[in-house]
Amino acid sequence: EAHLVESGGGLVQPGGSLRLSCGASGFTFSNSVVSWVRQAPGKGLEWVSSITTSSYTYYTESVQGRFTMSRDNSKSTLYLQMNSLRADDTAVYFCVKNVGDYPNCFDSWGQGTLVTVSS
Amino acid sequence: DIVMTQSPDSLAVSLGERATINCKSSQSIFYSSNNMNYLAWYQQKAGQPPKLLIQWASVRESGVPDRFSGSGSGTDFTLTISSLQAEDVALYYCQQYYSSPSFGPGTQVDIE
Repeated sequence: EAHLVESGGGLVQPGGSLRLSCGASGFTFSNSVVSWVRQAPGKGLEWVSSITTSSYTYYTESVQGRFTMSRDNSKSTLYLQMNSLRADDTAVYFCVKNVGDYPNCFDSWGQGTLVTVSS
Repeated sequence: DIVMTQSPDSLAVSLGERATINCKSSQSIFYSSNNMNYLAWYQQKAGQPPKLLIQWASVRESGVPDRFSGSGSGTDFTLTISSLQAEDVALYYCQQYYSSPSFGPGTQVDIE
């Protein structure tokens, strides 16, 4: 069974940076497309980004140019570098495993890590 | 971008009764080459991450009770809970994966 654990969330000022990590186990990480999905407090779900097995990345328009997703298959770890953070980036960020190739639905979710952007 | 809408925003159903949630996409998410609708349904209970219930509009995930069923094609889809149980109280989201993934706004299901 897939297991995903996010870390790195916290409080950051507007314009600041943060790097999220996600450790994966229970599946062949290097053969899997993985993604980030976020949920603002009391709001719905928003897909943020995905990375393929060949490290090709896709981003939602609102984070394009500010967020960078990467993966380290040797460590079964996923990263999300977030720069120029804005108040509307405040959310719980979930690390998720795609069912298959991009685009797809998501069959395993971490518990999430909270990012708060505020002065 | 494909915009997903859901109705109603919330509903309250008596235990054992049927709950029906509707989901609509702004364009067709049916791919004729493989005859599949690129739609998933999720359940999110309070304080938990979402759980995938159904993919390809009607294919239940392993372990999901058969009281959950999905139907529809093209732009209009439905999630039905045939006999609501107390543990089904949750938010339900639809999601398209025909193009860049997008979710509906969610439907809250409660016990009446």
